[in-house]
Amino acid sequence: AQSVAQPEDQVNVAEGNPLTVKCTYSVSGNPYLFWYVQYPNRGLQFLLKYITGDNLVKGSYGFEAEFNKSQTSFHLKKPSALVSDSALYFCAVRDQAGTALIFGKGTTLSVSS
Amino acid sequence: GAVVSQHPSWVICKSGTSVKIECRSLDFQATTMFWYRQFPKQSLMLMATSNEGSKATYEQGVEKDKFLINHASLTLSTLTVTSAHPEDSSFYICSASGTGEGTYNEQFFGPGTRLTVL
Repeated sequence: AQSVAQPEDQVNVAEGNPLTVKCTYSVSGNPYLFWYVQYPNRGLQFLLKYITGDNLVKGSYGFEAEFNKSQTSFHLKKPSALVSDSALYFCAVRDQAGTALIFGKGTTLSVSS
Repeated sequence: GAVVSQHPSWVICKSGTSVKIECRSLDFQATTMFWYRQFPKQSLMLMATSNEGSKATYEQGVEKDKFLINHASLTLSTLTVTSAHPEDSSFYICSASGTGEGTYNEQFFGPGTRLTVL
């Protein structure tokens, strides 16, 4: 069975500092990995995905994530956080195209000015 | 990019009534649509997967007679919450995948529907 773990309920970062939101996964086959962001009372916004290829994936709004197969991780990173990055972040996985995404519990990112 | 819409975005209804939520893919053919439910400050829980022209596959614990899903065309899926009760109040989000290039490896999410049952 597929699963995603986001070990941190909340991450607090000062504006301008680098941020990391952690995600580990478990799938039976090759993973398809995604990061989404959600603002209050809004739907999900796609940030980035890893399907195959380079382990370092660059996405929207300056975010990037690194796929680490040996550690089964796909941590989300940004070199310099903005207050506007404050939101709820979800990591998601599936093991083949066309199937439903399984989501982690979400991590609230709070960036202080 | 591929766009998915939901209607209504917000609905309030009385207990015992039924509510229909529409999910539309606006610029691609959605062979598969997914319905999720999200409680406040919690994750998205998959309710069901529907393929166009077929019966939906429901996740364990989801009542198929309460949450009726219809995927009659390649651009429209509907979720009907029958005899709604206050505990059905939630944020319902749909997503869609296609078969064409650019839509097969991703799910495109609708903006969500906030259901409040009084």
